[in-house]
Amino acid sequence: EDKVVQSPLSLVVHEGDTVTLNCSYEVTNFRSLLWYKQEKKAPTFLFMLTSSGIEKKSGRLSSILDKKELFSILNITATQTGDSAVYLCAVELYSGAGSYQLTFGKGTKLSVIP
Amino acid sequence: DVKVTQSSRYLVKRTGEKVFLECVQDMDHENMFWYRQDPGLGLRLIYFSYDVKMKEKGDIPEGYSVSREKKERFSLILESASTNQTSMYLCASQVDRGSVYTQYFGPGTRLTVL
Repeated sequence: EDKVVQSPLSLVVHEGDTVTLNCSYEVTNFRSLLWYKQEKKAPTFLFMLTSSGIEKKSGRLSSILDKKELFSILNITATQTGDSAVYLCAVELYSGAGSYQLTFGKGTKLSVIP
Repeated sequence: DVKVTQSSRYLVKRTGEKVFLECVQDMDHENMFWYRQDPGLGLRLIYFSYDVKMKEKGDIPEGYSVSREKKERFSLILESASTNQTSMYLCASQVDRGSVYTQYFGPGTRLTVL
């Protein structure tokens, strides 16, 4: 059975701290790994990772994938209260005949306090 | 454990057909969502519902409608399917209790419109 596990489940930090969120997976037919930020309404797409060792950056957020050890990390530096959200990791899998599916982890709830 | 099920994993329809995608959750959640996922575009919100018989448009509602007659069931309707609606459709449910707003996703329906 395909599995995506995120850790920690929740995290409370102070503004200015750096955080690292983890996502490990056990799946067949891996295609890509995606990170989302989920606030009240809907998840916001952050990164798509397909290759090992290549860091993707967007402002204070960065992410990297290790396809040998089957995990990814999402780093947030100089955290702000606006970073408070649930961060979702999802793995995109080939499911045959040109189609694919997404398997989501349960998310990490990040709370940034002033 | 929260369970969100979708009526079909794979569906093939012809242009102009009416298509029903059904989503059922068993945790008495207030909020339910329909997304579509396309490669490189992330999740895009189609419609959501905060209560029975309540619906609100998301970011890409054109060509879709929804129905929520019972709390546990949220249906997505394509009135007249078109080839650009070929996509992965994901349903999610979400509990709304103060600061807790994790979304739980179904396995997805891969729709192909010929």
